[in-house]
Amino acid sequence: DIQMTQSPSSLSASVGDRVTITCRASQSISSYLNWYQQKPGKAPKLLIYAASSLQSGVPSRFSGSGSGTDFTLTISSLQPEDFATYYCQQSYSTVFTFGPGTKVDIK
Amino acid sequence: EVQLVESGGGLVQPGGSLRLSCAASGFTVSSNYMSWVRQAPGKGLEWVSVIYSGGSTYYADSVKGRFTISRDNSKNTLYLQMNSLRAEDTAVYYCAREGGIVGANPWGQGTLVTVSS
Repeated sequence: DIQMTQSPSSLSASVGDRVTITCRASQSISSYLNWYQQKPGKAPKLLIYAASSLQSGVPSRFSGSGSGTDFTLTISSLQPEDFATYYCQQSYSTVFTFGPGTKVDIK
Repeated sequence: EVQLVESGGGLVQPGGSLRLSCAASGFTVSSNYMSWVRQAPGKGLEWVSVIYSGGSTYYADSVKGRFTISRDNSKNTLYLQMNSLRAEDTAVYYCAREGGIVGANPWGQGTLVTVSS
């Protein structure tokens, strides 16, 4: 199975900061990489699909990049509602593994 | 409105069985890929299983041979039959319409399964 790693596992940031989260796959997954946001007690929410496509309704401060094995989620200017945990997920193989998550909290 | 509503969670003893349901509205389950994802208390997301529109099914190694994903086209509902349950299967279980390269959307609200004696 394809293994996914994320870094950092957590970070503290302030409103207005630029935040970057990295996701790495254990083998090439082309652009089959999705990003989700999850807040406590809530279901995950799709933010980015196909590595860099913004899901409808998601603010443009969120962006994704990368292909192959290395991917990045960037929040250009962190807003109060962005404090959450972010997960990457590969959908390249028949087993759609998630990364371990990155928790973004308030500095 | 496109919506998923899970049900069927609860408390079950180790070794027991449970069937989760995921009722869909606003789209046709059989025309889509559908997934189950779980989240143990305080832990991250773990992909569990997918059923393709053509009927092929795939499972995480942790549940293979114990869990079965299926659907009832007449009820537009997805199921997860869970047998030989273990304490480590305790989690909130989510269903989602799986888009593959276009991601999973929407998700249900989740249903809690607790495996304990």
